[in-house]
Amino acid sequence: SQKIEQNSEALNIQEGKTATLTCNYTNYSPAYLQWYRQDPGRGPVFLLLIRENEKEKRKERLKVTFDTTLKQSLFHITASQPADSATYLCALPAGTASKLTFGTGTRLQVTL
Amino acid sequence: DGGITQSPKYLFRKEGQNVTLSCEQNLNHDAMYWYRQDPGQGLRLIYYSQIVNDFQKGDIAEGYSVSREKKESFPLTVTSAQKNPTAFYLCASSTSNRAYEQYFGPGTRLTVT
Repeated sequence: SQKIEQNSEALNIQEGKTATLTCNYTNYSPAYLQWYRQDPGRGPVFLLLIRENEKEKRKERLKVTFDTTLKQSLFHITASQPADSATYLCALPAGTASKLTFGTGTRLQVTL
Repeated sequence: DGGITQSPKYLFRKEGQNVTLSCEQNLNHDAMYWYRQDPGQGLRLIYYSQIVNDFQKGDIAEGYSVSREKKESFPLTVTSAQKNPTAFYLCASSTSNRAYEQYFGPGTRLTVT
């Protein structure tokens, strides 16, 4: 069956460092992959979409890579700030209809 | 301002009662979705609708019902048949037939005792 894995343990890093979060998937051949940010008690917010023919995508301090051979996406936040503390979710298209399957998310904590 | 609204933010009900959660969007999106989020389990799809007057079951539809009579509205009813209804419920919308960028509402936290 299709499965998305994100590290369930929180990632704690110091302000100014680069945070790297991982999304691994099995039994998918996704045309694209999305990343979302979710703050406690709020709905997720879309951050980035990367297509299967794109190896890397950037948006300000965010960078996403997509390796369809390894079946993995890496999400990087450079020069991290305490305001980046949140849970980050990856999502993949689920079937032919307009559905997404979400990973369980990784909580990032950036400390001073 | 364009967006998705969900109401209320917090909802308390007694076991055995049906309850309806509201979701409205003014983004002119064709597709709308309902998810349930429990601690440590991520988002699970309950129902989705790609067009008015049509909707499909998601992964955990049992004990829930929806309607889509208007493009802007996609209410979710949590029935008494739902065994564990206490959860955080999220509504989302996206452009038609392409799940690029789902826009989420603020969520409704339902507590059933």
